[in-house]
Amino acid sequence: DAGVIQSPRHEVTEMGQEVTLRCKPISGHDYLFWYRQTMMRGLELLIYFNNNVPIDDSGMPEDRFSAKMPNASFSTLKIQPSEPRDSAVYFCASTLGAGFTDTQYFGPGTRLTVL
Amino acid sequence: QQPVQSPQAVILREGEDAVINCSSSKALYSVHWYRQKHGEAPVFLMILLKGGEQKGHEKISASFNEKKQQSSLYLTASQLSYSGTYFCGSLSGSNYKLTFGKGTLLTVNP
Repeated sequence: DAGVIQSPRHEVTEMGQEVTLRCKPISGHDYLFWYRQTMMRGLELLIYFNNNVPIDDSGMPEDRFSAKMPNASFSTLKIQPSEPRDSAVYFCASTLGAGFTDTQYFGPGTRLTVL
Repeated sequence: QQPVQSPQAVILREGEDAVINCSSSKALYSVHWYRQKHGEAPVFLMILLKGGEQKGHEKISASFNEKKQQSSLYLTASQLSYSGTYFCGSLSGSNYKLTFGKGTLLTVNP
């Protein structure tokens, strides 16, 4: 299997622009997670989906952030408008189930820089 | 609530041992350990379930102390390839949300 795929790997944009990050989970995995990683706050869960349905979005920082999962093989995280404080590495992860022993597999991440 | 990892950083010489601790103020159902190398994604190491079990992966093992709500990661006879940041993720309830600690930076020098 190719693993979790994310694009782009790097994104540099200017404040106020819209940014869309993309993720393809491992085939057959029912759960998809979006994380943000910064030096200050570490690895934070933003939102997760089960069978394409958002289950918990309590980690989404504000209304500028939105996430969708139109089908089992694709998800997007959108920031509109972007701000410099959104600069971070955004990871997508997927897992087969939601048991206590289910492993989350991370994608390579998207490094976002907002100028 | 975010689990607390200690130490924040550790420097070893090749062949030395290290212990990384992960503590939670909430009851833990399981603890997941990951290693992340600079500029890369976190990579899964192992999962510990409540019950005090120990697990091992090559020369890396871990334990789960339910009474203390703490997990410890043991790195024995460290190798250069062990360098990276180690994260613990805790699962505390029925909602499947891994909450990660801030990480422990491990540097192994020749």
